[in-house]
Amino acid sequence: NAGVTQTPKFRVLKTGQSMTLLCAQDMNHEYMYWYRQDPGMGLRLIHYSVGEGTTAKGEVPDGYNVSRLKKQNFLLGLESAAPSQTSVYFCASSPTSGTPPGELFFGEGSRLTVL
Amino acid sequence: DQQVKQNSPSLSVQEGRISILNCDYTNSMFDYFLWYKKYPAEGPTFLISISSIKDKNEDGRFTVFLNKSAKHLSLHIVPSQPGDSAVYFCAASGYTNAGKSTFGDGTTLTVKP
Repeated sequence: NAGVTQTPKFRVLKTGQSMTLLCAQDMNHEYMYWYRQDPGMGLRLIHYSVGEGTTAKGEVPDGYNVSRLKKQNFLLGLESAAPSQTSVYFCASSPTSGTPPGELFFGEGSRLTVL
Repeated sequence: DQQVKQNSPSLSVQEGRISILNCDYTNSMFDYFLWYKKYPAEGPTFLISISSIKDKNEDGRFTVFLNKSAKHLSLHIVPSQPGDSAVYFCAASGYTNAGKSTFGDGTTLTVKP
């Protein structure tokens, strides 16, 4: 019963390095999301996808890129990491939005530190 | 401009008593509200939700109340248990895509035995 799986769980980068976070879900959900959480703050939406091959910007998209080549996978990329991107990243998925709205199913999070 | 606010960063209650967590919002376009619970080193998990056409939704020990005129909602936990100790996030969204939610900063609930 995997649900939403994120890899890696932890990563330390140097400023300017690049990396990709992988999110995989096995619930056949159409919608997938990337959120970030900073200390003492709520989750903020980075990018989301409403289906395979689609992506859209959320609240804080700058410095990130995403791809959804397969329905079950949603990748978050940092091309040139900055210390401001030190955060915990959560991937989530939900069934097709509509009636009724779907709740979010979250992964366990990926803790990224940029030195 | 924070659209969803949880003004109490922390709350401590005794086991068996009621826990009341509060949330205020400013965007009148929000019409669907959710509560998530988060334990350390885990992802948030959905707890309970309410749509704007209702003023109350109940699920076991958890009840969410919505006051649209005041743009205020609250989560009641009765009775509180030590296992309820966690961070609780309030989230709000438009009805058609609840995944695009705006989250509050969270309230850390501690239930003392």
